[in-house]
Amino acid sequence: QPVLTQSSSASASLGSSVKLTCTLSSGHSSYIIAWHQQQPGKAPRYLMKLKTSGTYTKGSGVPDRFSGSSSGADRYLTISNLQFEDEADYYCETWDSNSQVFGGGTKLTVL
Amino acid sequence: QVQLVESGGGVVQPGKSLRLSCAASGFTFSSYGMHWVRQVPGKGLEWVAVIWYDGNNKYYVDSVKGRFTISRDNSKNTLYLQMSSLRAEDTAVYYCARLDCTNGECHIDYWGQGTLVTVSS
Repeated sequence: QPVLTQSSSASASLGSSVKLTCTLSSGHSSYIIAWHQQQPGKAPRYLMKLKTSGTYTKGSGVPDRFSGSSSGADRYLTISNLQFEDEADYYCETWDSNSQVFGGGTKLTVL
Repeated sequence: QVQLVESGGGVVQPGKSLRLSCAASGFTFSSYGMHWVRQVPGKGLEWVAVIWYDGNNKYYVDSVKGRFTISRDNSKNTLYLQMSSLRAEDTAVYYCARLDCTNGECHIDYWGQGTLVTVSS
């Protein structure tokens, strides 16, 4: 089963950009993943699915500031023009062998 | 619009049972697989169980096998999680989530708001 590795924390300044990484374990580099955002005290929200090609499909209402890209086993979520409401936990997930697998999440702080 | 509304959470003693429900609306419920995912406050997301669109296939994380049962009633657009022999470590917010699959590649595309289950004497 794949393992998804995420940095535990990241920070960036208001109005800047940040790139979060989700790394798929060996042998699973072709898997699609999805990114989810969880603001403090709220349920997770689906942001996008992201293929190994770098093609991504965003969920309904997700701002243009959010984009995805891929390189090998790495899947990226880039947030441009950071806003205070982007301060949240970000999780990647994938599907394998009839189960959903989550990364440990990255806590993003907007300075 | 797609809505998933969980209910049934609460405080329950260790060893007891509880049933969670998730009422779905805004989409053809019978066409989608559904998950239960839980989150211990302050911790990450943990997948619990999945059920196929027709209810014929169900899969669980090892820690709940034999104790939890996922089911659905497509006539009522409702997903269930029957939890028995509850333990303190089952304390978490439980979310239902919709599974979107295309060509065998699946991901979650909608979440409910969650319901808190607290197992404590």
